[in-house]
Amino acid sequence: QKEVEQNSGPLSVPEGAIASLNCTYSDRVSQSFFWYRQYSGKSPELIMSIYSNGDKEDGRFTAQLNKASQYVSLLIRDSQPSDSATYLCAVKDTGRRALTFGSGTRLQVQP
Amino acid sequence: EAGVTQFPSHSVIEKGQTVTLRCDPISGHDNLYWYRRVMGKEIKFLLHFVKESKQDESGMPNNRFLAERTGGTYSTLKVQPAELEDSGVYFCASSHRQGTPYEQYFGPGTRLTVT
Repeated sequence: QKEVEQNSGPLSVPEGAIASLNCTYSDRVSQSFFWYRQYSGKSPELIMSIYSNGDKEDGRFTAQLNKASQYVSLLIRDSQPSDSATYLCAVKDTGRRALTFGSGTRLQVQP
Repeated sequence: EAGVTQFPSHSVIEKGQTVTLRCDPISGHDNLYWYRRVMGKEIKFLLHFVKESKQDESGMPNNRFLAERTGGTYSTLKVQPAELEDSGVYFCASSHRQGTPYEQYFGPGTRLTVT
């Protein structure tokens, strides 16, 4: 059973702090990794994709991938109350386009 | 550029009835996907179209679900007859054929309630 695991949270951080969200996956052939942000009652919004080991930065967001340890993380710098949402980790396997999602981590940024 | 659109946004039907959900992908996106989230569970993949062809339907739960994408543009997902366990949010997503083909963009979803 292929799985993507996330801590459901809530993860509470003060405004301006760094929020660190983690995700582990079970299938070693997974090749592509995505972070989606979902506000309550809204659609998942793609915020980061990462395909190779290391860090990828986009504005306040940094995705980190370690395929040997089978984890991917998302760092949000200078967290804002507007970042409060559920963050979904999704993994794509080799040969298929289907995404396998984790259950999401709820982030609360306290003003 | 318009995003993925879905219709209706909400649907409430009785067990045994039929419901058809519609998805319009982002213009020019050949790949179209259906996912669903049932209460308390993760978003789960249902199927993947490339243009009008079903590329992967491994996530379809049973033969009460029928997806079509005639002409390779919009797609419909029909549930017939609906059962209580079909309740949930049905998401559609689309992606490019080239460029960043693995990045999927989601629509707002259709919330289906079967009573």
